[in-house]
Amino acid sequence: LAKTTQPISMDSYEGQEVNITCSHNNIATNDYITWYQQFPSQGPRFIIQGYKTKVTNEVASLFIPADRKSSTLSLPRVSLSDTAVYYCLVGIRRVSGGYNKLIFGAGTRLAVHP
Amino acid sequence: EAGVTQFPSHSVIEKGQTVTLRCDPISGHDNLYWYRRVMGKEIKFLLHFVKESKQDESGMPNNRFLAERTGGTYSTLKVQPAELEDSGVYFCASSSGVTYNSPLHFGNGTRLTVT
Repeated sequence: LAKTTQPISMDSYEGQEVNITCSHNNIATNDYITWYQQFPSQGPRFIIQGYKTKVTNEVASLFIPADRKSSTLSLPRVSLSDTAVYYCLVGIRRVSGGYNKLIFGAGTRLAVHP
Repeated sequence: EAGVTQFPSHSVIEKGQTVTLRCDPISGHDNLYWYRRVMGKEIKFLLHFVKESKQDESGMPNNRFLAERTGGTYSTLKVQPAELEDSGVYFCASSSGVTYNSPLHFGNGTRLTVT
């Protein structure tokens, strides 16, 4: 199974861009990369996902190089409310059907300071 | 649309007792997942339903845990008898499954404390 490695923690200041890089050396051809955000006492919340190159939505961008062995979540102009744990996950496409399985790692604890 | 709801939000029971956790997925979501985080550890997969069928239960720790999803709607996770190491936060998630990478929508979890 593809495992992910990401920094345990990061610090930033309001208004800065934050980039969190995740490595997933054993990612398989059909696997995809997905990122979730979690606040205390809440469940993880989907942020963004991609298979290759670059994906952008209203809250973040995801950069995936050609070899797909790593990915970078980019949060533009963070605010205090972005303080949370961010999980990089590899979604494993099941051979038996069109269903996925997410394997959580330890996540990156991001602290945004005033 | 209403999100994934879990009940209760907190439960404190004594070792040896039984507890049943409930999850109501987003309406129309065929896929339902149970995850848990025990103290200081990572969030671990427990099992996955597709409608009322168990697709993957490889993460269930032992036979004290029983998950059901009768009728393919809400799901229950029963722990009987509970042990101290079962303490943790149990998360439920659902997805539409329209595509294999349909995002999971998580509930806020049930915090279980076994004393």
